[in-house]
Amino acid sequence: SQTIHQWPATLVQPVGSPLSLECTVEGTSNPNLYWYRQAAGRGLQLLFYSVGIGQISSEVPQNLSASRPQDRQFILSSKKLLLSDSGFYLCAWSLGSGRIVNGEQYFGPGTRLTVT
Amino acid sequence: AQKVTQAQTEISVVEKEDVTLDCVYETRDTTYYLFWYKQPPSGELVFLIRRNSFDEQNEISGRYSWNFQKSTSSFNFTITASQVVDSAVYFCALSPDKLIFGTGTRLQVFP
Repeated sequence: SQTIHQWPATLVQPVGSPLSLECTVEGTSNPNLYWYRQAAGRGLQLLFYSVGIGQISSEVPQNLSASRPQDRQFILSSKKLLLSDSGFYLCAWSLGSGRIVNGEQYFGPGTRLTVT
Repeated sequence: AQKVTQAQTEISVVEKEDVTLDCVYETRDTTYYLFWYKQPPSGELVFLIRRNSFDEQNEISGRYSWNFQKSTSSFNFTITASQVVDSAVYFCALSPDKLIFGTGTRLQVFP
């Protein structure tokens, strides 16, 4: 069966510090991978998605970036955090075929980031 | 424009009551999918259902049922005989390709 891991679970970082959140998927090959952010009391905003190694699409301009160094690894980064980066970050995967398709996505446990 | 509206921000019910969560969507695509996800207090989103735009049959899964009506662009979710464990935030989502989420409805079920 497939599982998705995210770490860390919680993170408190000062403004201006770097960020690295990691997501890995097990039990599937060539998945589509996604990063979402959920601000307090709000819906999910798609930040990035990837249909393959090294292929990243950005949905929202911001000071965050994403990378996919391996097939089942997705990393969310920032060089300098802003207060507005606080939120709940969720990684998700779906069956992939080299393009985005409208299949169901499966979510990881999330990382709660507080920027102080 | 693609959009999902969940007008109910928060609903409170007492255990064993039936409750319906509303979802209205906007899309110009003729082929699309609709989803419901549950987000319990732990935070992880749990997939509940996917329906395609060509299948308007209502679906029932235990105490859960879904009513899809293209004429009103709605995909409502009903929980019958609610339980405390149903307390969560529920998201409706639309997918022509990427998922577009509504803002969610927080359901609180009191014993």
